[in-house]
Amino acid sequence: GAGVSQSPSNKVTEKGKDVELRCDPISGHTALYWYRQRLGQGLEFLIYFQGNSAPDKSGLPSDRFSAERTGESVSTLTIQRTQQEDSAVYLCASSSTGGSSYEQYFGPGTRLTVT
Amino acid sequence: GQQLNQSPQSMFIQEGEDVSMNCTSSSIFNTWLWYKQDPGEGPVLLIALYKAGELTSNGRLTAQFGITRKDSFLNISASIPSDVGIYFCAGRGYGNKLVFGAGTILRVKS
Repeated sequence: GAGVSQSPSNKVTEKGKDVELRCDPISGHTALYWYRQRLGQGLEFLIYFQGNSAPDKSGLPSDRFSAERTGESVSTLTIQRTQQEDSAVYLCASSSTGGSSYEQYFGPGTRLTVT
Repeated sequence: GQQLNQSPQSMFIQEGEDVSMNCTSSSIFNTWLWYKQDPGEGPVLLIALYKAGELTSNGRLTAQFGITRKDSFLNISASIPSDVGIYFCAGRGYGNKLVFGAGTILRVKS
């Protein structure tokens, strides 16, 4: 079946502009996660959606970052007034419920470059 | 918060050699996962471990969930050039969130 997809694959934007990054999770996966990966570093948790529960926003680095999810489908990560320090790969992952619910499956990421 | 220490940071080995990397934590984890990330791609799940002491293999890869629940290792036997990439461990305490290690960069000499 189809995996997690993300768009765009690359985004170059000017400092101060807003950007939207999109994630399509695996069909039927109720949980969706966003991570940030700076060059040469590990994955930094940003936000987590589980079904209709309130999202866990504890990893969002500032109020310029926000995310929405429509039901159990598409999610959008929005970064307002982008800064050069926001340059990174933004990864989305999804997981199912049940016995393997802790196994997260990742999309290819969106590489964001802020100039 | 919970943190994982992953080592080594990088490895440069001869093709055919066995490889070992590990992750340790000061906190107990209930699940350990190992991922591999190739350049320009997202991490791909290699092995998932759910019980302390569990030893699981996936082809040439073997991973173990430490008895103390505070560590895990990944072994790769008879490495080949396509094993190059970054390997991440990830641990789950309570709830669904994962904590990731900083990664081990594997380079293989052919």
